[in-house]
Amino acid sequence: EPEVTQTPSHQVTQMGQEVILRCVPISNHLYFYWYRQILGQKVEFLVSFYNNEISEKSEIFDDQFSVERPDGSNFTLKIRSTKLEDSAMYFCASILTPGLAGAYEQYFGPGTRLTVT
Amino acid sequence: GQQVMQIPQYQHVQEGEDFTTYCNSSTTLSNIQWYKQRPGGHPVFLIQLVKSGEVKKQKRLTFQFGEAKKNSSLHITATQTTDVGTYFCARSNTGNQFYFGTGTSLTVIP
Repeated sequence: EPEVTQTPSHQVTQMGQEVILRCVPISNHLYFYWYRQILGQKVEFLVSFYNNEISEKSEIFDDQFSVERPDGSNFTLKIRSTKLEDSAMYFCASILTPGLAGAYEQYFGPGTRLTVT
Repeated sequence: GQQVMQIPQYQHVQEGEDFTTYCNSSTTLSNIQWYKQRPGGHPVFLIQLVKSGEVKKQKRLTFQFGEAKKNSSLHITATQTTDVGTYFCARSNTGNQFYFGTGTSLTVIP
């Protein structure tokens, strides 16, 4: 069973510091996503990425956030200057092809728990 | 306009009882997806519904998409302790942006 991997599993950082969360999507997938989930709340869409550029982003994804696919396998989320309210679980996900029957299953990684102190 | 509401927020059932969660939208949905998230885990895709009035089954799970494509439901027959978790619906119009519902947390009492 293919899987999405994420590192680290837990990141603790001080307010104002930069963090980079890493993801390795499933190798033949074309669409990549970042979500966040504050403890006990719903999963919130941050950004989608296709063909080496941002496809859609939510209002949460402001100038403090950026994404990158630095090589053929990694997909990263950078938060430039973390705030206390950035503390959450961050999930990466990938899809082969959203519009194609049988290929729209979204696979989530195990998540990175970010704690900002 | 993009929000999807789920009810109930919490549900406690005795093992063996049935469970249903409902997902409602004020606007027409092009499709609806359902996910399960175990405590401490990540969302796991269950199914996608696309057609008006569609009904799909996965063992003890039955998924329905409303005729007007504004609501959906997930029904579990004869719950087991392995069904514990939070069930989310999610809408997507383009496939590039997903809006998750508020989730229903299911507790199964053995």
